[in-house]
Amino acid sequence: AQTVTQSQPEMSVQEAETVTLSCTYDTSESDYYLFWYKQPPSRQMILVIRQEAYKQQNATENRFSVNFQKAAKSFSLKISDSQLGDAAMYFCAYKIGQGNLIFGKGTKLSVKP
Amino acid sequence: NAGVTQTPKFRVLKTGQSMTLLCAQDMNHEYMYWYRQDPGMGLRLIHYSVGEGTTAKGEVPDGYNVSRLKKQNFLLGLESAAPSQTSVYFCASSYGSQETQYFGPGTRLLVL
Repeated sequence: AQTVTQSQPEMSVQEAETVTLSCTYDTSESDYYLFWYKQPPSRQMILVIRQEAYKQQNATENRFSVNFQKAAKSFSLKISDSQLGDAAMYFCAYKIGQGNLIFGKGTKLSVKP
Repeated sequence: NAGVTQTPKFRVLKTGQSMTLLCAQDMNHEYMYWYRQDPGMGLRLIHYSVGEGTTAKGEVPDGYNVSRLKKQNFLLGLESAAPSQTSVYFCASSYGSQETQYFGPGTRLLVL
């Protein structure tokens, strides 16, 4: 079965500092997609970043970047220069082709001023 | 461009009652999805649709039915609500199966 594991239920970071959220997944497929979604208190699920497994280059979106280690099946999210608005639940998700989007259980990120 | 919208935002039901949740998208997406989110868990797929007139079961389909009569709308029905269906329900849509899914704001459902 495909699974996504986020081993950190909660994380905390000081404003303006950098934090890394961990995600590992289990699959025997070679072609798939990985995502990080942010869910603030408003509950809206917002796409943060997306990575295609066939791409070796790590995806980057402004202050958000990933460290994609395909052999290790690891997909961590780095948030640089953390801002108060980054406080939210962060979900890692995985998808094979036309298959389901499989979510991890989430990491709650707090940002301290 | 409203994206993905959901109606209602919040609802309280008694056990055994029925209701329909409406999802609408204005992005001309082919694929639409219904998820549920329970405390301490990520989202789990209930049903999905790959185009108008089609539906398919996801990971947790029992107790739910869906319909996709129009491309822009995806309805989720509960025929006889149970307390175990208390959850937050999210609709999502995407252009294709490999494309990013965009989510609605969620519907909070409480079944007493």
